[in-house]
Amino acid sequence: KNQVEQSPQSLIILEGKNCTLQCNYTVSPFSNLRWYKQDTGRGPVSLTIMTFSENTKSNGRYTATLDADTKQSSLHITASQLSDSASYICVVSGDDMRFGAGTRLTVKP
Amino acid sequence: NAGVTQTPKFQVLKTGQSMTLQCAQDMNHEYMSWYRQDPGMGLRLIHYSVGAGITDQGEVPNGYNVSRSTTEDFPLRLLSAAPSQTSVYFCASSYLRNNEQFFGPGTRLTVL
Repeated sequence: KNQVEQSPQSLIILEGKNCTLQCNYTVSPFSNLRWYKQDTGRGPVSLTIMTFSENTKSNGRYTATLDADTKQSSLHITASQLSDSASYICVVSGDDMRFGAGTRLTVKP
Repeated sequence: NAGVTQTPKFQVLKTGQSMTLQCAQDMNHEYMSWYRQDPGMGLRLIHYSVGAGITDQGEVPNGYNVSRSTTEDFPLRLLSAAPSQTSVYFCASSYLRNNEQFFGPGTRLTVL
């Protein structure tokens, strides 16, 4: 069964610190992997997209990595800000799209 | 561009009642979809459409109907609401099925 597993489920960090969120998947065939940010009470918004041939992609303070051999991706957030508090959802596309349950990140002052 | 709009934002129903959740997009996207989001679970696909006049079932279609008479609109109908349908519902659109999804703000539905 195609699955997307994210860890940790939740994370609390202090403002200014870095953090890394993980996404493991078994989706096959693989087309692309996206990270979405979902603020409380809002719909998800795309942060990055990774295709099979890409290892790293940055979007400001967000850096996504992909290891297609081990079927793992990570989202690294640098110098966290209070506005980074949100859920981060990993979505893997193949024949269809599969959503991870998300990581709830809280950034405290 | 308004993007993807959904109405209502909040709704409370009694068991057995029916209602329609509205979704519209102004980006001329062919692909539209409905998801439900429950605590601790990923977004689950209810129904989707690859173009006007074409709809298909997703992962959790039971108890829901959809239609796509125009490119812009994709309403979701609850036929006879049940407490298990208490959830947050998101409509999304994209150019193609596996492209970036643009999500609406969601509808929080409570069924008593």
